[in-house]
Amino acid sequence: DIQMTQSPSSLSASVGDRVTITCRASQSISSYLNWYQQKPGKAPKLLIYAASSLQSGVPSRFSGSGSGTDFTLTISSLQPEDFATYYCQQSYSTPQTFGQGTRLEIK
Amino acid sequence: QLQLQESGPGLVKPSETLSLTCTVSGGSISSSSYYWGWIRQPPGKGLEWIGSIYYSGSTYYNPSLKSRVTISVDTSKNQFSLKLSSVTAADTAVYYCARDYNALRFDIWGQGTMVTVSS
Repeated sequence: DIQMTQSPSSLSASVGDRVTITCRASQSISSYLNWYQQKPGKAPKLLIYAASSLQSGVPSRFSGSGSGTDFTLTISSLQPEDFATYYCQQSYSTPQTFGQGTRLEIK
Repeated sequence: QLQLQESGPGLVKPSETLSLTCTVSGGSISSSSYYWGWIRQPPGKGLEWIGSIYYSGSTYYNPSLKSRVTISVDTSKNQFSLKLSSVTAADTAVYYCARDYNALRFDIWGQGTMVTVSS
């Protein structure tokens, strides 16, 4: 299985901050990398697919980059509704696997 | 707009079979390009993909669960289902169904249903 490792595991930030979350794959996954946002008690929501494509309806302050083994999710200016847990997911090979999550908290 | 809704028992006894159904509304489960998947999340933990099915019945499963999992589809009812056999407490989780675009990404999710394995 391909292991996905996110860093940091948790992060405190303020409204208006620029935030970057990193995801590393245990082997190359080309650009088969997606990012999800999950709020407490809710289902995950797709934000970014294919490493850098913005899902329809997602604000443009979210962006993704990377290929191969190293990927980043950036939120350019944090809004109150962005405080949540973020997961990366690879779909390069079966089984599809997720990172352990990054919890973004209000400072 | 497409919506997914999970249904099934919230409590299952150890060694028994967990059975859940996902009903798709606002669109056809027989659409090309889409698989339909199950993902679970133990309390306080991360996400684990269980498996996915195409409307034709073609399936692919997580090898770690494959011996216990069966996913099926009923196109006449616009539903797909999950069966997980020989459950233990480790199978306690929120179970989500989701649309799996070309086996590449989960773009629409159900709200999730909590299943507890306990006697």
